[in-house]
Amino acid sequence: DILLTQSPAILSVSPGERVSFSCRASQSIGTSIHWYQQRTNGSPRLLIKYASESISGIPSRFSGSGSGTDFTLSINSVESEDVADYYCQQSDSWPIFTFGSGTKLEIK
Amino acid sequence: QVQLQQSGAEVAIPGASVRMSCKASGYTFTNYWMHWIKQRPGQGLEWIGHINPSTDYTEYNEKLKDKATLTADKSSSTAYMQLSSLTSEDSAVYYCANWDGGFAYWGQGTLVTVSA
Repeated sequence: DILLTQSPAILSVSPGERVSFSCRASQSIGTSIHWYQQRTNGSPRLLIKYASESISGIPSRFSGSGSGTDFTLSINSVESEDVADYYCQQSDSWPIFTFGSGTKLEIK
Repeated sequence: QVQLQQSGAEVAIPGASVRMSCKASGYTFTNYWMHWIKQRPGQGLEWIGHINPSTDYTEYNEKLKDKATLTADKSSSTAYMQLSSLTSEDSAVYYCANWDGGFAYWGQGTLVTVSA
């Protein structure tokens, strides 16, 4: 199985700062990584697909990068509404999908 | 617009079964596989399996395949998941979701509580 490791478990930043979330795969998966935001008591929301492809309706401050085993989700200029858990998910081993354990974003 | 409307919360005793639903609207039901995803309280996301509503073909996470049974009703554009032999480990929120280059559409989740 492909394992996804997200680090750190918690990120705490001030409004307006840039923040980056890391996701590392246990083997090379090309760009088959997708990122989700989950606010408290909400359903996950797709932010980025295939490592760096933007999603309609998602603010442009969200971006993704990486390939192979190391991936990054970045938020340029964090806002208070970005407080949430962020998950990466791989689809390289279709139809078996796995998620990372998530990173919690807090605002100072 | 695509909407996935899930059934309400369930409370069940250990050893029982529950069946939950996910009614799709805003798209052709048979054109997209329906996926199910589990989230235990305070935990991450775990993919359970998916069903092709056009053919009823299913695939499951090996770890959970004896727990969940996926079905679909084309006439009502509704997908179902039955969970059997419930234990406390099955207490979770269960989501249905559509894949469109990522899980692009999600239901609101069904909370299952297993308690004696």
